[in-house]
Amino acid sequence: DARVTQTPRDKVTEMGQEVTMRCQPILGHNTVFWYRQTMMQGLELLAYFRNRAPLDDSGMPKDRFSAEMPDATLATLKIQPSEPRDSAVYFCASGPSGSTEAFFGQGTRLTVV
Amino acid sequence: GNSVTQMEGPVTLSEEAFLTINCTYTATGYPSLFWYVQYPGEGLQLLLKATKADDKGSNKGFEATYRKETTSFHLEKGSVQVSDSAVYFCALKGNTPLVFGKGTRLSVIA
Repeated sequence: DARVTQTPRDKVTEMGQEVTMRCQPILGHNTVFWYRQTMMQGLELLAYFRNRAPLDDSGMPKDRFSAEMPDATLATLKIQPSEPRDSAVYFCASGPSGSTEAFFGQGTRLTVV
Repeated sequence: GNSVTQMEGPVTLSEEAFLTINCTYTATGYPSLFWYVQYPGEGLQLLLKATKADDKGSNKGFEATYRKETTSFHLEKGSVQVSDSAVYFCALKGNTPLVFGKGTRLSVIA
């Protein structure tokens, strides 16, 4: 059963620390998305990649967030330094070429204290 | 830009009641429309979709019809079950990645 895998599932960290979230997209999917979910803003697109190249990261605070795809099986989202307002659930999703669908992972719940 | 507006929740219904969750959208061109469902502690799962005007998407007793004239994609189910309790998101995809509504929490009580 193919699925998007995210690690860690939960992360509690202190303000100022670096946080790295990882995502393994479904094998063969060439598009990867990062979304952030909060009660106030709902689901916001942070960044997305196609064939490992970043297409749009305008939703990310550039000074502290960075997203990369070191290879086709791994996407990372880093926050450095983290702040309490970054507390949210971060979802990774992937989709196959030419499809309108996106398949979501279970998310990483980040709490910055 | 593209946007989705869906009815605010929470919605609380008794088992076997009829469900409607309203969704309207603003988009350029001809987007595809989706309903996703999120169960507690889980990611979003695709529930149904429609890719062109007058298409009806359906799955697990839920259905929604793409109405271009009213720019709507309302979700309906004739008889809800306790297991349908979840958060439902309306979404659209045009020439950009998925844009989501704020979500509607549904609670079904026995």
